[in-house]
Amino acid sequence: EDQVTQSPEALRLQEGESSSLNCSYTVSGLRGLFWYRQDPGKGPEFLFTLYSAGEEKEKERLKATLTKKESFLHITAPKPEDSATYLCAVQARTGTASKLTFGTGTRLQVTL
Amino acid sequence: DAGVTQSPTHLIKTRGQHVTLRCSPISGHKSVSWYQQVLGQGPQFIFQYYEKEERGRGNFPDRFSARQFPNYSSELNVNALLLGDSALYLCASSPRDGSGYTFGSGTRLTVV
Repeated sequence: EDQVTQSPEALRLQEGESSSLNCSYTVSGLRGLFWYRQDPGKGPEFLFTLYSAGEEKEKERLKATLTKKESFLHITAPKPEDSATYLCAVQARTGTASKLTFGTGTRLQVTL
Repeated sequence: DAGVTQSPTHLIKTRGQHVTLRCSPISGHKSVSWYQQVLGQGPQFIFQYYEKEERGRGNFPDRFSARQFPNYSSELNVNALLLGDSALYLCASSPRDGSGYTFGSGTRLTVV
């Protein structure tokens, strides 16, 4: 069974204080690893898809990296507007359903 | 461009009642998936439809059913509602089977 574990559960940073969020996964053949941002009461907003170990993608203050067992979301010099829950999900290569298996998320709070 | 639209945005139902949730995918997207997100948890896969055929089903009871229409919109039906069905129900669409997912803002269902 596919599994995704995210850590830490919650993270509080001061503005400008860089950090990393971790996503460990086990999957029967990885088709893709997805990062989403979710604001309270809203649907997840797509950030990145990573497909193979060694791949990296960047968007503004965010950078996602992927190894064979985990992914990191690096946040450089965060701002208060980066406060949200960050969700990691995997899609397996096997099976007929194209489903995402999500972790429970990391709640990020960035303060002034 | 219109994103994924879901209706209604909020709903309050009584235990034992039936509910129908609706989703319109992004124009051109043929795959629709449904997820349930309980407060504090990541989304859980319920169903995936592609080209009007069910491609997969998560670990949910038979009280949950869905269908996809010729215009690719979709409905999620839940019978005999339980208090534990209270959650944010998310719809996601993708342009082809297994590719990137865009989520709607969800329907917040409260069962009392």
